[in-house]
Amino acid sequence: AQSVTQLDSHVSVSEGTPVLLRCNYSSSYSPSLFWYVQHPNKGLQLLLKYTSAATLVKGINGFEAEFKKSETSFHLTKPSAHMSDAAEYFCVRDDYKLSFGAGTTVTVRA
Amino acid sequence: EPEVTQTPSHQVTQMGQEVILRCVPISNHLYFYWYRQILGQKVEFLVSFYNNEISEKSEIFDDQFSVERPDGSNFTLKIRSTKLEDSAMYFCASSAAGGLGETQYFGPGTRLLVL
Repeated sequence: AQSVTQLDSHVSVSEGTPVLLRCNYSSSYSPSLFWYVQHPNKGLQLLLKYTSAATLVKGINGFEAEFKKSETSFHLTKPSAHMSDAAEYFCVRDDYKLSFGAGTTVTVRA
Repeated sequence: EPEVTQTPSHQVTQMGQEVILRCVPISNHLYFYWYRQILGQKVEFLVSFYNNEISEKSEIFDDQFSVERPDGSNFTLKIRSTKLEDSAMYFCASSAAGGLGETQYFGPGTRLLVL
């Protein structure tokens, strides 16, 4: 079965430092991929999506992700973390139904 | 900004009881979904629904589950006879179209606890 793997279950960063959340996908073709974020007691919110257009995708709140076919990766980055970025992040692939990674919990230290 | 809403936010029920989880999708959306997340596990697809029919369902979505769009605004998930293992967070989602790459908009979830 096609899947996504989030390589880190938990990432802790200091405020103002870069954030990197890693995601690899398994596929024999270029899938549609998303990053969603879930803040406590909130629904899943779309950060950005890749649908075979530009490989560098910009999302909301300063996040971006780069699709690298050679590495089957879709890592999420942000140059400078903010306290409000503390949340759980999901890498998701679309095969007409969404398949979620296990999630990465981000904590931001003041 | 339009959003998907779900009620109740929390539900506690006894094993064997029926529960109905309610969702109000975004008003002009045509495709509806249910997902669930058991504590500590991945978010899993349950079912997709379009044009008053189930489009696709997962192995989890057995005869104990059903979905319905009883009117023009609500989308419900019914579990006929709950089991302990049905305890999970249930998310409703909707999208304007059903193609690959279409954004699905999620509600905040209903946390179901079966005792």
